[in-house]
Amino acid sequence: DAMVIQNPRYQVTQFGKPVTLSCSQTLNHNVMYWYQQKSSQAPKLLFHYYDKDFNNEADTPDNFQSRRPNTSFCFLDIRSPGLGDAAMYLCATSRVAGQGLPSLFFGPGTRLTVL
Amino acid sequence: SQQGEEDPQALSIQEGENATMNCSYKTSINNLQWYRQNSGRGLVHLILIRSNEREKHSGRLRVTLDTSKKSSSLLITASRAADTASYFCATDQAGNNRKLIWGLGTSLAVNP
Repeated sequence: DAMVIQNPRYQVTQFGKPVTLSCSQTLNHNVMYWYQQKSSQAPKLLFHYYDKDFNNEADTPDNFQSRRPNTSFCFLDIRSPGLGDAAMYLCATSRVAGQGLPSLFFGPGTRLTVL
Repeated sequence: SQQGEEDPQALSIQEGENATMNCSYKTSINNLQWYRQNSGRGLVHLILIRSNEREKHSGRLRVTLDTSKKSSSLLITASRAADTASYFCATDQAGNNRKLIWGLGTSLAVNP
């Protein structure tokens, strides 16, 4: 089945220790998103790739970076995690063509704990 | 950024009852989407309704859209315990392609 896969599902890191979260998709979608979601809150968009075109949200901390080496994979790098970065990180994909944004397909998320 | 507001923030009902959640937004949209999120999981797309549509159905779900009031509602009929989840609306703003603007969500509890 076509899907969005995130690894790992649970990640524990220490304060200040870099961490990388990964996302892969078999949907061949051209847009990939990274969201941060804290408990009982709505997802917050960090950045997205439209093909290879990287789009950073204005309020995304510099601590967060992303790579998309090919259509299928996208990585979220947190250079120096702080306690406030503990959250669920959600990867999503979409096929965007022309006007209007279709629905997003989400992965199961990675729960990040910072000790 | 969030532009949607949803009410109620939390809703608790008995199995078999209907659940209605509302979403309001502030600017013109191309479409409005509803998602469900079970605890600790990713979001699942439920229904997309375009700005020129007024009502859409999918199984036990009914979504309405009133662009003059900039509001939408999600009705779940004959609710089941498995419907317990958070429900989010998200809008595709006109002229702002490629990213959705999310509401704050409604937490629904369906008691057996």
